[in-house]
Amino acid sequence: EVQLVESGGGLVQPGGSLRLSCAASGFTFSDYWMHWVRQAPGKGLSWVSRINTDGSSTIYADSVKGRFTISRDNAKNTLYLQMNSLRVEDTAVYYCVRLWNTMFDYWGQGTLVTVSS
Amino acid sequence: QSALTQPASVSGSPGQSISISCTGTSSDVGGYNYVSWYQQHPGKAPKLMIFDVSNRPSGVSNRFSGSKSGNTASLTISGLQAEDEADYYCSSYTTTSAVVFGGGTKLTVL
Repeated sequence: EVQLVESGGGLVQPGGSLRLSCAASGFTFSDYWMHWVRQAPGKGLSWVSRINTDGSSTIYADSVKGRFTISRDNAKNTLYLQMNSLRVEDTAVYYCVRLWNTMFDYWGQGTLVTVSS
Repeated sequence: QSALTQPASVSGSPGQSISISCTGTSSDVGGYNYVSWYQQHPGKAPKLMIFDVSNRPSGVSNRFSGSKSGNTASLTISGLQAEDEADYYCSSYTTTSAVVFGGGTKLTVL
């Protein structure tokens, strides 16, 4: 069974940093591109970032470019999102998502990040 | 990376059919047949309902169908059921290799 389990969320002050992790199981993690998608409280989905299978190619939404870094450790079957210079508007549930061909076929349950003083 | 445009809400009675539109540009919806639709119930993760404009993943009811014309994609739900009440989001691949979502549509089953 495919499972994606996010962790690392919590409360952080504006300007602070946080690293999210996503533990993958039930599939060959190194075969899939992975994404982070976020959802602010009461708002819609917003795409954050993508990484290819070996980590050599990444891309970011304009709103997080230069502040967030996506990475992966295929030996540990884990996806990461390093978030620096956090802003109040980064407050959201962050989902780890698997990309299969052209679709997001599996989603984690999400981890909540709250940026507040 | 502007969000795709969806109606904020739609509603229908059980057994009826409804459609949700998703309007983008030639740089996303109109440029690729890579539109997907997701269903999200409160407090839950999104669930894939349609991919590549009109394809259903295994396990998704055939009451759900998708289409596209120009820069606008549509999700149609026929034979509405109470459990269809949820938020629905479209997404598309873009020319910059990013992904863009619609703002979401709240479906109410009356």
